[in-house]
Amino acid sequence: KAGVTQTPRYLIKTRGQQVTLSCSPISGHRSVSWYQQTPGQGLQFLFEYFSETQRNKGNFPGRFSGRQFSNSRSEMNVSTLELGDSALYLCASSSGLAGEDTQYFGPGTRLTVL
Amino acid sequence: AQSVTQLDSQVPVFEEAPVELRCNYSSSVSVYLFWYVQYPNQGLQLLLKYLSGSTLVESINGFEAEFNKSQTSFHLRKPSVHISDTAEYFCAVSFMNRDDKIIFGKGTRLHILP
Repeated sequence: KAGVTQTPRYLIKTRGQQVTLSCSPISGHRSVSWYQQTPGQGLQFLFEYFSETQRNKGNFPGRFSGRQFSNSRSEMNVSTLELGDSALYLCASSSGLAGEDTQYFGPGTRLTVL
Repeated sequence: AQSVTQLDSQVPVFEEAPVELRCNYSSSVSVYLFWYVQYPNQGLQLLLKYLSGSTLVESINGFEAEFNKSQTSFHLRKPSVHISDTAEYFCAVSFMNRDDKIIFGKGTRLHILP
């Protein structure tokens, strides 16, 4: 089985721009979760989608949003980028709910905001 | 408030020596517990998890963790480490309340000394 894939792998944007990140889960997985990883804050939960519905959301501003399509692929959007949004964004998929099942992580998208 | 604490950001240990990586959490609800590992230049992957049943869980590469409800801990142990265990280890806790979020600790970097 192919693993979790994320595109693009690297991204450079400027403040005020918006960005869309994409995640393709393992075939058959219905849950996709997004995380932000930074050296100072570690791994922080953004949100989880299960069968196209957002199940829960972390403590991030409304500039961070996402969606999941019928084929379980997911996108995350960040609008009005700020310097502090520079981070590694990880996507993880699981067969069941993220909190109860093994999550399989992608390699991440490294976003740099200038 | 719900939180996950990994007290040690780095742990140096000699090869073939025992190691314990500590994880504590704060919660008033039931939890599921996970340890994930990130080897150098690789993505995060599950090491072991506790959902129910025996409080002692083991991984295929010799690590074990014990769920201690009274101390709200899930420490990771290995009796004899190998150079290949060099990695960053993340404790994750899923809180079984209506928010159902998963929170990761900030990670512990394990350095194996020759």
